[in-house]
Amino acid sequence: AQTVTQSQPEMSVQEAETVTLSCTYDTSESDYYLFWYKQPPSRQMILVIRQEAYKQQNATENRFSVNFQKAAKSFSLKISDSQLGDAAMYFCAYRSLQYNFNKFYFGSGTKLNVKP
Amino acid sequence: EPEVTQTPSHQVTQMGQEVILRCVPISNHLYFYWYRQILGQKVEFLVSFYNNEISEKSEIFDDQFSVERPDGSNFTLKIRSTKLEDSAMYFCASRPGGGNEQYFGPGTRLTVT
Repeated sequence: AQTVTQSQPEMSVQEAETVTLSCTYDTSESDYYLFWYKQPPSRQMILVIRQEAYKQQNATENRFSVNFQKAAKSFSLKISDSQLGDAAMYFCAYRSLQYNFNKFYFGSGTKLNVKP
Repeated sequence: EPEVTQTPSHQVTQMGQEVILRCVPISNHLYFYWYRQILGQKVEFLVSFYNNEISEKSEIFDDQFSVERPDGSNFTLKIRSTKLEDSAMYFCASRPGGGNEQYFGPGTRLTVT
């Protein structure tokens, strides 16, 4: 079964600085999607960024970028120029394209604090 | 922008009682999901629903759980006889037919006493 691991329960970053959140996963599949979701306090999870495993190029969305290392099964999220509004829980998620194609496997989350 | 909504935001119930958690997915979406997150633990998949039937369920989703899309807009999760260990945050999600991203609701916090 697929597992997703986020080894950092909580992290802090100074406003305007850069922070990297770690995610590793375990799978025997070659084709899949990876996602980072953000969950602000008392609000729903929203998609931050998505990476297709067949793409070698790392996904980027404005200040958010990923470092996808397929061989190492690593999918870290880098947030540049951190803003107060980035403070949230961040979840890494895996979606298979081969088996059990519907569901997501989530990590346990990383709580990001942004200090002014 | 359309959003998935869930009601209530917090439900307190006594052990053994039935609860129904309600979700309104985004209107043109075709796939629907329930996940739960016990405090301090991972978000876990419960069930997926497509074309008016369950397409996949986890081992957590036993006979005490059921889902329904009664009227084409609501998507409900029923827990027949709640247990203390059912206390968790329950998230509903939906996905369009051709998409890969799931859109999540804000969650319902269920507390079983």
